[in-house]
Amino acid sequence: GAVVSQHPSRVICKSGTSVKIECRSLDFQATTMFWYRQFPKQSLMLMATSNEGSKATYEQGVEKDKFLINHASLTLSTLTVTSAHPEDSSFYICSARDDRAADTQYFGPGTRLTVL
Amino acid sequence: AQSVTQLGSHVSVSEGALVLLRCNYSSSVPPYLFWYVQYPNQGLQLLLKYTSAATLVKGINGFEAEFKKSETSFHLTKPSAHMSDAAEYFCAVSTDAGGTSYGKLTFGQGTILTVHP
Repeated sequence: GAVVSQHPSRVICKSGTSVKIECRSLDFQATTMFWYRQFPKQSLMLMATSNEGSKATYEQGVEKDKFLINHASLTLSTLTVTSAHPEDSSFYICSARDDRAADTQYFGPGTRLTVL
Repeated sequence: AQSVTQLGSHVSVSEGALVLLRCNYSSSVPPYLFWYVQYPNQGLQLLLKYTSAATLVKGINGFEAEFKKSETSFHLTKPSAHMSDAAEYFCAVSTDAGGTSYGKLTFGQGTILTVHP
């Protein structure tokens, strides 16, 4: 089946540093990928829609300068948390829509970010 | 606007018993509905989806769900629970099945399923 990977799976960083999270579709092309954030014991909140070759579309309340998204190829999207603070600590999950099947979306395993 | 409400943040059943996880949605246009399962510290796995075809949808691992427009519901069921079913389940709604905006899912709060021996 289709696989989406995320790297790293877990990261701890100091406040003020930037962290990059990669999301890759391993065996399919994904023009569109999505980034979600999940707080402990809560549901997933969509942060932004990432489209290859164009600017990401951010949901209301999400700071685009804080969460930089780059979708440079049909298999890779990156989320960079800039100048991270403890309140940015969360579980970040990406998903990728299979270009061959528009109604099919696959989720990555998630990245646990802890900002000290 | 669209929203999803999952009734019951925790559901506990005995192994072999019926599993029923409730989901109600609100949407101004015909919805597309999904159930996902999440195991600890993992991403989400699609169990099943409703995209305006048959109202009774069968998914993986013996799960199924029925779309009831009159009740705005999409409850998830499984006739006989297995220990491996213990996980968190999310109901989600989308109003697009195509185009670049497809996949903008709105998730419910999640229901943690516990299965007792």
